[in-house]
Amino acid sequence: AQTVTQSQPEMSVQEAETVTLSCTYDTSESDYYLFWYKQPPSRQMILVIRQEAYKQQNATENRFSVNFQKAAKSFSLKISDSQLGDAAMYFCAYSGTASKLTFGTGTRLQVML
Amino acid sequence: NAGVMQNPRHLVRRRGQEARLRCSPMKGHSHVYWYRQLPEEGLKFMVYLQKENIIDESGMPKERFSAEFPKEGPSILRIQQVVRGDSAAYFCASSPLGRNTEAFFGQGTRLTVV
Repeated sequence: AQTVTQSQPEMSVQEAETVTLSCTYDTSESDYYLFWYKQPPSRQMILVIRQEAYKQQNATENRFSVNFQKAAKSFSLKISDSQLGDAAMYFCAYSGTASKLTFGTGTRLQVML
Repeated sequence: NAGVMQNPRHLVRRRGQEARLRCSPMKGHSHVYWYRQLPEEGLKFMVYLQKENIIDESGMPKERFSAEFPKEGPSILRIQQVVRGDSAAYFCASSPLGRNTEAFFGQGTRLTVV
């Protein structure tokens, strides 16, 4: 079975600074997708960024980028120029041939003024 | 194009009652997934459905829980004889394809069992 591990329950960052959230996963599959979701206090799950395992190039969406290390099974999220609106729970997730999403336990990000 | 619609947003049930949670997928999406989020935890997969078919129910508790996605109408997650431990946020996601590459989430239903 696939597992997703987020080892940082909480992180904080100063406004305008950069922060990196860690995620590791375990799988025997070769074709899969990895995601980062943001969950603000409203509880809405918002897709931040997606990475396809067969693509070596790291995905980027504006201020959000990932460092995908397939051999190490690592998938970290970098948030640049942090904003107050980035404060939320961030979940790393995996989807393979089984189609369902497997989530990590989340990292709560605080953004300080 | 409306997003994934879940209702109700909040549901309070007494122990032993039934809870019915509804999910209308995005237009054109025929794949629906249900997830449960306990307080301070991540989302856990419950069931994956296509129209009129259950594809994967490996995350569903064996008793009291059932799900359907009829040809017409929303997907329903039904919890019979609720207990306090069923209190959680239940999320529905839909996608146009079988692979979870474009899954969009609803805002969830928060179930409180008193």
